[in-house]
Amino acid sequence: DGGITQSPKYLFRKEGQNVTLSCEQNLNHDAMYWYRQDPGQGLRLIYYSQIVNDFQKGDIAEGYSVSREKKESFPLTVTSAQKNPTAFYLCASSTEDRATLDYGYTFGSGTRLTVV
Amino acid sequence: AQSVTQLDSQVPVFEEAPVELRCNYSSSVSVYLFWYVQYPNQGLQLLLKYLSGSTLVKGINGFEAEFNKSQTSFHLRKPSVHISDTAEYFCAVRLYSSASKIIFGSGTRLSIRP
Repeated sequence: DGGITQSPKYLFRKEGQNVTLSCEQNLNHDAMYWYRQDPGQGLRLIYYSQIVNDFQKGDIAEGYSVSREKKESFPLTVTSAQKNPTAFYLCASSTEDRATLDYGYTFGSGTRLTVV
Repeated sequence: AQSVTQLDSQVPVFEEAPVELRCNYSSSVSVYLFWYVQYPNQGLQLLLKYLSGSTLVKGINGFEAEFNKSQTSFHLRKPSVHISDTAEYFCAVRLYSSASKIIFGSGTRLSIRP
């Protein structure tokens, strides 16, 4: 079955350490997105990529970095510069192929990051 | 720029009662509309979507929504809720143009009381 896989589901890191969250999709989707979710604040866009080797900052990119070397993969690194990294992180993808465009996003199951 | 407003942050209802979750949007151009559901510690799942055609859209789990262009609303309804409907619900909008991003509302937490 096609879908998006986020790993790990739970992640614990010490303050000051960089950590990379994995996001892999086998839907052949062109665009991929990273969101951060905090209680009561909905979804906030961190980074997005509409094509391989290209990505754009979202609303809260500071302290985060991404890469898009393969269509299937869009890893997110939470750096030590992110002041409050403890949150639930969601990856999503969408197709930009006009023939199959379904206009919505497919989401992964999320990674809960706790920094201690 | 488009925006989405979910008027209620929390909606408590009794089991088997009807429920309506309200959503209004703002856009100067035509949009696609979505409702997503998120269960605790999970990702978002598509509940239903309006692309064109009939303004009454039926989704999974007995939910439906009605697109009202004049009121720029897309309210979600279910005639009889179940405990398993306890979740957070997100309304979202996307412009007709390609490469546009989905804009999400802030979410409505639906809590079902037995």
